[in-house]
Amino acid sequence: GQNIDQPTEMTATEGAIVQINCTYQTSGFNGLFWYQQHAGEAPTFLSYNVLDGLEEKGRFSSFLSRSKGYSYLLLKELQMKDSASYLCAGAFSGGYNKLIFGAGTRLAVHP
Amino acid sequence: SAVISQKPSRDICQRGTSLTIQCQVDSQVTMMFWYRQQPGQSLTLIATANQGSEATYESGFVIDKFPISRPNLTFSTLTVSNMSPEDSSIYLCSSPSSALGQGGQYFGPGTRLTVL
Repeated sequence: GQNIDQPTEMTATEGAIVQINCTYQTSGFNGLFWYQQHAGEAPTFLSYNVLDGLEEKGRFSSFLSRSKGYSYLLLKELQMKDSASYLCAGAFSGGYNKLIFGAGTRLAVHP
Repeated sequence: SAVISQKPSRDICQRGTSLTIQCQVDSQVTMMFWYRQQPGQSLTLIATANQGSEATYESGFVIDKFPISRPNLTFSTLTVSNMSPEDSSIYLCSSPSSALGQGGQYFGPGTRLTVL
């Protein structure tokens, strides 16, 4: 199967920068998604990477290396509201693109 | 972006009963997905609901336990049958959107199920 691995928990300080890493198995890989999920709410789309390199979107950036099976989500100028779970999900081929989710990284932002 | 609604938003049910969860999308989509998110864990795909054909179930999930209907291109239901406390979870539906990237999905708000 396609294992998606990411750290379970991270903590950071308001105003700082945090990087959340994600690794995946490259077989059948088609693209990498990051979702944000606040407690009790649905996941919301943050970013999509299909080619190698960095995609920047405001305070959030996402990086992908297809050859290494590696991605990271970079959050800058952290705010308290960024405290949430961040889900890494890979799209893999198999008739249609199925999303396989990692376990999620719970980020706690402290003052 | 797609707007997805689910009913009910939450429910508390007795062991042995069944609950049907509804999912409505504001646009026509070929596929809809049903996920389970157990407490403190990430999303696990239960099945893919295709309009006009049988749902496709993932390993570990069977139609007798989680029957799915897909009567049209904007609606689907998931039934959790003969419930036990282990079925306590959040159930989410989603629909794909090419606007998010190949494989990207929008998610409904989820149905929080507690089985006593």
